[in-house]
Amino acid sequence: NAGVTQTPKFQVLKTGQSMTLQCAQDMNHEYMSWYRQDPGMGLRLIHYSVGAGITDQGEVPNGYNVSRSTTEDFPLRLLSAAPSQTSVYFCASSYGTDSEQFFGPGTRLTVL
Amino acid sequence: TQLLEQSPQFLSIQEGENLTVYCNSSSVFSSLQWYRQEPGEGPVLLVTVVTGGEVKKLKRLTFQFGDARKDSSLHITAAQPGDTGLYLCAGARAGGGADGLTFGKGTHLIIQP
Repeated sequence: NAGVTQTPKFQVLKTGQSMTLQCAQDMNHEYMSWYRQDPGMGLRLIHYSVGAGITDQGEVPNGYNVSRSTTEDFPLRLLSAAPSQTSVYFCASSYGTDSEQFFGPGTRLTVL
Repeated sequence: TQLLEQSPQFLSIQEGENLTVYCNSSSVFSSLQWYRQEPGEGPVLLVTVVTGGEVKKLKRLTFQFGDARKDSSLHITAAQPGDTGLYLCAGARAGGGADGLTFGKGTHLIIQP
């Protein structure tokens, strides 16, 4: 099993550009989530999904969209990148909302 | 919002010393998880504690869940440089919640050779 995979590993964007961060898991987990990690702020939940076709907002959803067309994939879209979105982004999956979270390796995003 | 406060925020000690990090809240959690994150990687689960007063050991690491299930501690005996990393606690709210776990901000631990 590959677990949770994320691409790309690193990305540099200019303000106003859009992009999609990819996340896939091969563990048949129903629950998937996106976090951003900033110094001194810890992990903050952006969006989450409890199953295919179902998504909801987390703590910091503004400027991001998600979709969950399959159990395996949960892409995160930045609509119009802003410097405030410079961060490390982690995708995670689990059997249930309170179960062990399996994290991907992260995407380090810089917005200039 | 239920907060998990972790202390200390930063800790740098010499190899062989003992240390304890804390995870505190005013709210009750049905379970609490501890993760370790190494630079450039995602967090990895170390342990889950479920019962109030529970103690779990993982080699030199001892985890304890408070009797009231509002706090937890991680004690490392004879710390090694390989213990260096960011330690995160995460709580599952009593009564559940679709948005999953509440994470603390973490303790950055550096073990110097």
